[in-house]
Amino acid sequence: GNSVTQMEGPVTLSEEAFLTINCTYTATGYPSLFWYVQYPGEGLQLLLKATKADDKGSNKGFEATYRKETTSFHLEKGSVQVSDSAVYFCALSRRAGNTPLVFGKGTRLSVIA
Amino acid sequence: DTAVSQTPKYLVTQMGNDKSIKCEQNLGHDTMYWYKQDSKKFLKIMFSYNNKELIINETVPNRFSPKSPDKAHLNLHINSLELGDSAVYFCASSLRTSGTQETQYFGPGTRLLVL
Repeated sequence: GNSVTQMEGPVTLSEEAFLTINCTYTATGYPSLFWYVQYPGEGLQLLLKATKADDKGSNKGFEATYRKETTSFHLEKGSVQVSDSAVYFCALSRRAGNTPLVFGKGTRLSVIA
Repeated sequence: DTAVSQTPKYLVTQMGNDKSIKCEQNLGHDTMYWYKQDSKKFLKIMFSYNNKELIINETVPNRFSPKSPDKAHLNLHINSLELGDSAVYFCASSLRTSGTQETQYFGPGTRLLVL
């Protein structure tokens, strides 16, 4: 079956530090890959996505590249801010039509000033 | 304008009660979903509807019954609530197209606490 594995949190960083959150997946075929973010007390928001191998998704300074050879979609940001503190979810979905997302367990990021 | 809205935002109730959560989307999407997020933040699909038709029903107890009166609404009714039903329930929607995975837009969540 399809599954997503994320690095365990919580991750605590100082402001302006470099962020990497690892995500690997298992899937049949070629899934679409997503990063969602959940700020405290809020719902999920799409952060970025990639739909085919070697695609790079980017938004708000975050980036992730779809690596088929390593089945990975690691999230990176060069310089985090306190406002980036949230829970980050890696997710996949089959590309054939609209199918539910399969989520990783989430990684909580805390950025301190 | 709110894209995907849910009511109520918070719901505290006793074991054994029956309750409903409502979801509405004004995006013109055809597909709607219910996800459950447990206390460890793990998110899992419960149901998926397309144009008022149930297309996915994961292994969810039959105490949970989704209802879609029209394609903009997907409500979730829960009978005989149990302690283990305490969670955050998220509604989501996406535009249905064939052969393409469209972005899913999530509501703010309903935090259910069963006492």
